Amino acid sequence: SQQGEEDPQALSIQEGENATMNCSYKTSINNLQWYRQNSGRGLVHLILIRSNEREKHSGRLRVTLDTSKKSSSLLITASRAADTASYFCATDKGNAGNMLTFGGGTRLMVKP
Amino acid sequence: KAGVTQTPRYLIKTRGQQVTLSCSPISGHRSVSWYQQTPGQGLQFLFEYFSETQRNKGNFPGRFSGRQFSNSRSEMNVSTLELGDSALYLCASNNGGASGETQYFGPGTRLLVL
Repeated sequence: SQQGEEDPQALSIQEGENATMNCSYKTSINNLQWYRQNSGRGLVHLILIRSNEREKHSGRLRVTLDTSKKSSSLLITASRAADTASYFCATDKGNAGNMLTFGGGTRLMVKP
Repeated sequence: KAGVTQTPRYLIKTRGQQVTLSCSPISGHRSVSWYQQTPGQGLQFLFEYFSETQRNKGNFPGRFSGRQFSNSRSEMNVSTLELGDSALYLCASNNGGASGETQYFGPGTRLLVL
């Protein structure tokens, strides 16, 4: 079963606009990561934020984490057509190994 | 370094058959994880292998199994296929250290069960 939900499920914007996606999860976590998937292909890691961090930046990406609300947001600034993809948040509980629990994903379409 | 490779990329099977999917991790990576992606259930963790041992297991029936070889390559097997097993199967690899380490995903194997 999925850890949580992502909101919105789909988002359509114009190039140059900002895109914000939200992720909520149900249980305590150790880390939260965001991945991108193009057209049913493999996932590409974007950014990781640890449970003791509140905000992180990487290029045009900004991620926030609110552990009290069990939620995270991903902001993509100055979007490009190439950003069109599905975006997933994934959490882990810090157990040994790699067991990610994914959200349902947000489908982003950036129109040129 | 070459990325994670999965073979075959596409597969069509009929109900009741079995299937074996293969994953070659990035050179040097010791952990391989498998995920199932379907429109209805989304991305779900199947299992993880590290140094030829299953380290974590998701909530899937025993028809789903896997193994890892000494060169870290991994295979997963699904026996007695059901229509609901139609999915994109993704594998991911990393060094297998502390949690939060980036996982590198392969392109996936798309399985269609008729």
